[in-house]
Amino acid sequence: QKEVEQNSGPLSVPEGAIASLNCTYSDRGSQSFFWYRQYSGKSPELIMFIYSNGDKEDGRFTAQLNKASQYVSLLIRDSQPSDSATYLCAVKPPTGGFKTIFGAGTRLFVKA
Amino acid sequence: NAGVTQTPKFQVLKTGQSMTLQCAQDMNHNSMYWYRQDPGMGLRLIYYSASEGTTDKGEVPNGYNVSRLNKREFSLRLESAAPSQTSVYFCASSRGLAGEQYFGPGTRLTVT
Repeated sequence: QKEVEQNSGPLSVPEGAIASLNCTYSDRGSQSFFWYRQYSGKSPELIMFIYSNGDKEDGRFTAQLNKASQYVSLLIRDSQPSDSATYLCAVKPPTGGFKTIFGAGTRLFVKA
Repeated sequence: NAGVTQTPKFQVLKTGQSMTLQCAQDMNHNSMYWYRQDPGMGLRLIYYSASEGTTDKGEVPNGYNVSRLNKREFSLRLESAAPSQTSVYFCASSRGLAGEQYFGPGTRLTVT
């Protein structure tokens, strides 16, 4: 089992819809969770982080964390073609010092 | 404020050649990282430096060495390049234990 798993996609949604991206992790004691957006040929860019169970909203983005079920999700409301990118889930396990484990990413395509 | 900068942007090496990838950050961050990104593999940590004067191996350190020259600069050296090291290399930095990382633009390396 991979430490951080994401569906590789592509996930295709129409413009204006809600895109839902999911991520599961294996280390139950993990405390910090991050979502990065990566456009093709570019570097990852941090868009959200969440540390506590529940929802965290920032503009059109909502991160949801459920530690009991070991999953974290990212919702993008009113999806725009400019949201088309690969979204990387990253988890900082409780052990391992500064190591952060990245998932392989989910490709999102928003159709105009 | 340039954030994280990397040089060079592109490089082609022949097997057995050596080179150093340079990284610098101007955010006064304590921690710095080197990752490689291969298709379908996600980001894999090569080496990291928790603070000035310290470096540690990540999950794929073989064939690489690093130097934390000062708080701003963290270099990655390939002593004898191999085709398996063809990849995109990203440098990142973070303030510390918080874990939010900021990435440089990347270096695309091809080893023939």
